[in-house]
Amino acid sequence: GENVEQHPSTLSVQEGDSAVIKCTYSDSASNYFPWYKQELGKRPQLIIDIRSNVGEKKDQRIAVTLNKTAKHFSLHITETQPEDSAVYFCAAGTHSGTYKYIFGTGTRLKVLA
Amino acid sequence: NAGVTQTPKFRILKIGQSMTLQCAQDMNHNYMYWYRQDPGMGLKLIYYSVGAGITDKGEVPNGYNVSRSTTEDFPLRLELAAPSQTSVYFCASSSSGQGTEAFFGQGTRLTVV
Repeated sequence: GENVEQHPSTLSVQEGDSAVIKCTYSDSASNYFPWYKQELGKRPQLIIDIRSNVGEKKDQRIAVTLNKTAKHFSLHITETQPEDSAVYFCAAGTHSGTYKYIFGTGTRLKVLA
Repeated sequence: NAGVTQTPKFRILKIGQSMTLQCAQDMNHNYMYWYRQDPGMGLKLIYYSVGAGITDKGEVPNGYNVSRSTTEDFPLRLELAAPSQTSVYFCASSSSGQGTEAFFGQGTRLTVV
């Protein structure tokens, strides 16, 4: 079945450094790749997304890249700040039968002041 | 807009009891989803629905049932609760099946003892 692998599971960076989280998906029919941020005890919220017809997308300090051939996509956070500390989830939206989102296992990011 | 509303926020069940987790959205979204999130883990899809009267199984449907009699509501039923169902449950909705943001409810923390 569909699967999304996410690495690393935990990531610690110094404030101001960059953070990179990588995901790999299995279903070649996947066409939408959102990233969600989940702060402790709260609901996941969308921070950026990319569609399969685009290779890169930026929004201020965050960017996402997509390599459809390799079925990889990555989240890049530059100039990290303590408030970036959270769990980040990647997901793949796939139209296999009916449309659904398959999530990765999450990355706990800690930004050290 | 309230967005996606889940009730209750917390619940403790005894083994063998049943309960219904409520989910309602006021965005006129066709697609609705139920996920469970175990401690330190990602989001696993339990059931989803592409419209009123249509539901389908996700990755981990055993022990759960759903119904979708209206566009707004998507309740999740637990029959014969087991300790393995201790988790945080998130309901989500999206407007279409072509890669659009999924909006999450605030979650229901369920403990089965």
